Amino acid sequence: EAQVTQNPRYLITVTGKKLTVTCSQNMNHEYMSWYRQDPGLGLRQIYYSMNVEVTDKGDVPEGYKVSRKEKRNFPLILESPSPNQTSLYFCASSGTGLVHVYEQYFGPGTRLTVT
Amino acid sequence: ELKVEQNPLFLSMQEGKNYTIYCNYSTTSDRLYWYRQDPGKSLESLFVLLSNGAVKQEGRLMASLDTKARLSTLHITAAVHDLSATYFCAVLNAGGTSYGKLTFGQGTILTVHP
Repeated sequence: EAQVTQNPRYLITVTGKKLTVTCSQNMNHEYMSWYRQDPGLGLRQIYYSMNVEVTDKGDVPEGYKVSRKEKRNFPLILESPSPNQTSLYFCASSGTGLVHVYEQYFGPGTRLTVT
Repeated sequence: ELKVEQNPLFLSMQEGKNYTIYCNYSTTSDRLYWYRQDPGKSLESLFVLLSNGAVKQEGRLMASLDTKARLSTLHITAAVHDLSATYFCAVLNAGGTSYGKLTFGQGTILTVHP
């Protein structure tokens, strides 16, 4: 089954404790992206990757890191989480074909609470 | 900086009625996407609009794109309760060094009443 998986689905942590949210897709997609969703603000892109070893900042990259060492995986790293990073996080992937980004497939979401 | 605005943000409709959600964006782009999100769920792709004048239809939903006006519309025909959800448009950065950057609208919360 074609899917995007994220782990963990729920996480409660404390300020400053490094964490990683994993994202994996099995559709051989070139494009992967991370978003955060906050009430009243819609979705905001954190980082995206057009292909392996190619990453770029979205609209809200501060406090986050990513890496794309393999095509299927795109982990999101919070080196020193703060309460303002409490949010619902979505990973997504898409084929690109001729550099067009097509429809994105979204993961189930990770609800992160930083206390 | 690309800005995307949807309106209305809240839409309460009666079953059987028609309505349109608007998505305006601030800079040139010819790639626009519509997504649906049910409460507590992830996002589901509805339409990908890849060129000026593109029109796509699926069931009671029809989306169109006017790149000259920087406007996309999502038209709902004869609404049914199952269409109750939040609808997002998203616009792809047109090029340069930020190709691949996506900006979402705030979302339109649609509620369909009997």
